[in-house]
Amino acid sequence: GESVGLHLPTLSVQEGDNSIINCAYSNSASDYFIWYKQESGKGPQFIIDIRSNMDKRQGQRVTVLLNKTVKHLSLQIAATQPGDSAVYFCAENTGGFKTIFGAGTRLFVKA
Amino acid sequence: DGGITQSPKYLFRKEGQNVTLSCEQNLNHDAMYWYRQDPGQGLRLIYYSQIVNDFQKGDIAEGYSVSREKKESFPLTVTSAQKNPTAFYLCASSIEGSEQFFGPGTRLTVL
Repeated sequence: GESVGLHLPTLSVQEGDNSIINCAYSNSASDYFIWYKQESGKGPQFIIDIRSNMDKRQGQRVTVLLNKTVKHLSLQIAATQPGDSAVYFCAENTGGFKTIFGAGTRLFVKA
Repeated sequence: DGGITQSPKYLFRKEGQNVTLSCEQNLNHDAMYWYRQDPGQGLRLIYYSQIVNDFQKGDIAEGYSVSREKKESFPLTVTSAQKNPTAFYLCASSIEGSEQFFGPGTRLTVL
C-alpha cells in the first residue's frame, strides 16, 4: 500500500553541524512533498515543500532534495541550532486533499 | 490574524462519556482534517472533510464522529465506543493539493 517512511527515527547532532533527515516514499504518483516540524506539545508547522518537477528547493537554512528515481526525500538543516530540536515529518500528496505522513524523526541538538 | 484554533487545550473525560473537541479556521480552506497522535508516534487520520456537509473516514474512524455544518468548523466527538481515547488530537485545514495548517492540539485524558 501507500506509505511514507523514515530511515532514522532519532538523530543527534552537535550544535553548528548540518543535519540530514531522510524519508522514503512508495507512491510514484505522489507529486507534492512537504516537511513539517513539530515541537513538543504543539501542532506541526510547515517548513518547506517541493513539487515533483523539481529536485531541489532551498529555504532559510533548510534544503529539500527529491530523488524520484529511488523515491527518496531529504531535509537538510544548515548550522543546526538548539531551537531546531523537534520531530520532523515528511508527507506526500498526490494532488488531492489527502496527505500521507511519515512516522517522524526526532532531532536532538547537543550544545 | 488568520489561523486555526482548537479548544480546549486539555480535556479530561470519565470512562463512558462522550466529549467533543472544537476546531475552527478562518483561512477560508475547503478541507479540514482530524488526526490522532500517540506518544512518540506519527499522525493517524481519523476523519477528513473536503466540503461542507461532506466527510470521509480516515484510517482510524471507529469510535469517533464528526460534522461539517459550516466551512469554518469541524468538531470531533470522541464517543464511549473509542476504547483507548487518551491521545493528542490535531486538527488541520488546507486547500486542495497544498500544505496543511495545523491547530495547537487538544490533549485528551481518560480518567
